[in-house]
Amino acid sequence: QQQVKQSPQSLIVQKGGISIINCAYENTAFDYFPWYQQFPGKGPALLIAIRPDVSEKKEGRFTISFNKSAKQFSLHIMDSQPGDSATYFCAASMGLSGGSNYKLTFGKGTLLTVNP
Amino acid sequence: NAGVTQTPKFQVLKTGQSMTLQCAQDMNHEYMSWYRQDPGMGLRLIHYSVGAGITDQGEVPNGYNVSRSTTEDFPLRLLSAAPSQTSVYFCASRFRGKTEAFFGQGTRLTVV
Repeated sequence: QQQVKQSPQSLIVQKGGISIINCAYENTAFDYFPWYQQFPGKGPALLIAIRPDVSEKKEGRFTISFNKSAKQFSLHIMDSQPGDSATYFCAASMGLSGGSNYKLTFGKGTLLTVNP
Repeated sequence: NAGVTQTPKFQVLKTGQSMTLQCAQDMNHEYMSWYRQDPGMGLRLIHYSVGAGITDQGEVPNGYNVSRSTTEDFPLRLLSAAPSQTSVYFCASRFRGKTEAFFGQGTRLTVV
C-alpha cells in the first residue's frame, strides 16, 4: 500500500516558469511533511518542510501548500532555474511529538528539468 | 564534521556473495536508517535504529541484516546477494526529536 502518492513522475519547465509537484497521503496520523531534493550522484537533502497546523510555508523561491482536508500537499518552485534540475521527493512521517519520528515514508519522486 | 559517510561508493557482487555496506555518522545522532532507491520506486526503508543496541525492520527488510553496537556506526549486511538487491543504498541519520534527516552519498550496488 503506497501511503504517499506523488505526481508527476517527470516535469519539464522553462527557465523562469513555475514548477508544481503534488503529493497525496492516506494516513491522517502523519504530522510532518518534508520535501527532499536530490542531485545526480548525491544523497537526498532536506529542502523545506511543513506541519499540518499551517496551510503554507515559504522559503525563498520554494513554497509548500498544505490542504489537510484533502490530504494533499504540493511544492511550488517560483522562477525556476536550470540549477533546480533535480529529483524531488515528498515524504511524510508520524508521531513527531511522541518520539516515533524515525520513519519517513517517501513518494516515488519527480524528475524536474528546467530548460535554459 | 563529515556528516554521514558511506563506503564503498560502488560495488559489484556475484549472486550468493556476502558483503557489508558501511555507514558512519559523526553528529551523535540517535536515529539511523537504511533506504534503497530504485527507479520509479522512491526510497524504501530497509532497517532502522533508534539507538545503540536497538534495531527494527522497515518496509523491505528481507535479505538484509543490521546491528548497531555504537552510536556512530550502522552497517548493513547482505548475507547472500541476489540480483533483486541491485540498487542504490542510502544511510540516513537524525537527532531524536528533530525532524531533519541527513543522508549519505549512497552506495551503488550491482549484483550479477
